[in-house]
Amino acid sequence: KAGVTQTPRYLIKTRGQQVTLSCSPISGHRSVSWYQQTPGQGLQFLFEYFSETQRNKGNFPGRFSGRQFSNSRSEMNVSTLELGDSALYLCASSLAGGTGNEQFFGPGTRLTVL
Amino acid sequence: AQSVTQPDIHITVSEGASLELRCNYSYGATPYLFWYVQSPGQGLQLLLKYFSGDTLVQGIKGFEAEFKRSQSSFNLRKPSVHWSDAAEYFCAVGPRSNDYKLSFGAGTTVTVRA
Repeated sequence: KAGVTQTPRYLIKTRGQQVTLSCSPISGHRSVSWYQQTPGQGLQFLFEYFSETQRNKGNFPGRFSGRQFSNSRSEMNVSTLELGDSALYLCASSLAGGTGNEQFFGPGTRLTVL
Repeated sequence: AQSVTQPDIHITVSEGASLELRCNYSYGATPYLFWYVQSPGQGLQLLLKYFSGDTLVQGIKGFEAEFKRSQSSFNLRKPSVHWSDAAEYFCAVGPRSNDYKLSFGAGTTVTVRA
């Protein structure tokens, strides 16, 4: 069974631009979560989607948004990029919602904002 | 507010020696507890988790962790470290609910010397 895939793996953008990251969960998984990982702030939860609905959201500004499609694939969008948005963005999928279900992480998308 | 503390930023251990990584948490109620490992350029892999029951939990790759409620700790151990264990290790906590919102510690980088 294929794991969680994220595209692209690397991305370079300039301040003010917007970016869309994609995540394909493991087949059959309906929950997708997104995390931001930076050296300064560590791993921080962005949001979680389950059956196309955002169920949980972390403490990030409205510039960060996401969505989930009927096939459970998810996209994350960051508008008006800032230098501080440079990070590794990790996507994780699980069979169902709830912390009791194991999350499987993708390799991440490394975003660099210049 | 919940928090996860990993007091050791970096640990160096000799191959074959034992390893212990510390994790303390602050949470309203006993959360679900996790240890993840991240190798360079990779996503996170779940090592083990504690939900309830036996406070000594066995995981993959020969790792184990002990939950101590009185100390709000969930320390990770391995009796004999292999060079392939060099990685970054994250302790995480999550609510006992359908909220999929993991809070991670800052991570401990483990270096294994020959």
